[in-house]
Amino acid sequence: AQKVTQAQTEISVVEKEDVTLDCVYETRDTTYYLFWYKQPPSGELVFLIRRNSFDEQNEISGRYSWNFQKSTSSFNFTITASQVVDSAVYFCALSLYSSASKIIFGSGTRLSIRP
Amino acid sequence: DVKVTQSSRYLVKRTGEKVFLECVQDMDHENMFWYRQDPGLGLRLIYFSYDVKMKEKGDIPEGYSVSREKKERFSLILESASTNQTSMYLCASRPLGTKNTGELFFGEGSRLTVL
Repeated sequence: AQKVTQAQTEISVVEKEDVTLDCVYETRDTTYYLFWYKQPPSGELVFLIRRNSFDEQNEISGRYSWNFQKSTSSFNFTITASQVVDSAVYFCALSLYSSASKIIFGSGTRLSIRP
Repeated sequence: DVKVTQSSRYLVKRTGEKVFLECVQDMDHENMFWYRQDPGLGLRLIYFSYDVKMKEKGDIPEGYSVSREKKERFSLILESASTNQTSMYLCASRPLGTKNTGELFFGEGSRLTVL
């Protein structure tokens, strides 16, 4: 069975601190995709990044970076120098290449950035 | 920009009422999804539609039905609303050409309260 675990329910940090959101996944499929989405207070989930199971290169996009490690089945997300606008709920998700509809979401981490 | 529009942001209905949640996307996407979002549970798939008139049950289809008569529109129907269907409902779409790897485009959600 597939599963995505985001153990951190809520995180609160002061602005400019770095923060890491953890994501651990389970699947027996060899081809899969991992995603991070951001859900701001407006409610609409916004795509942040996709990683396929064959590409373990870490990625950096501005203040955001992602660390994908197949050995530990983790796909962690770090925000450097956090800002108030980063406050949102963040979801990690797993998509199986073998199934069009099978997209498993984690329970989400609510991130609050205090001024 | 891709736009997924959900007809109502907030609805209040009474137990036993029939409820229609409408979702329209303007990018000619083949795949459309209805999710339910509850605190601590993340997003759970209710129904998925591959294309017009095609549908597949998700993880929690009980108490729901769907309609996809036109490519751009995917409707979620609660035949007889119950209080345990009080939730945030999210619609999403995805182009078929991405071969199940593409990110989802989400609407802003419909928060339904059943009294």
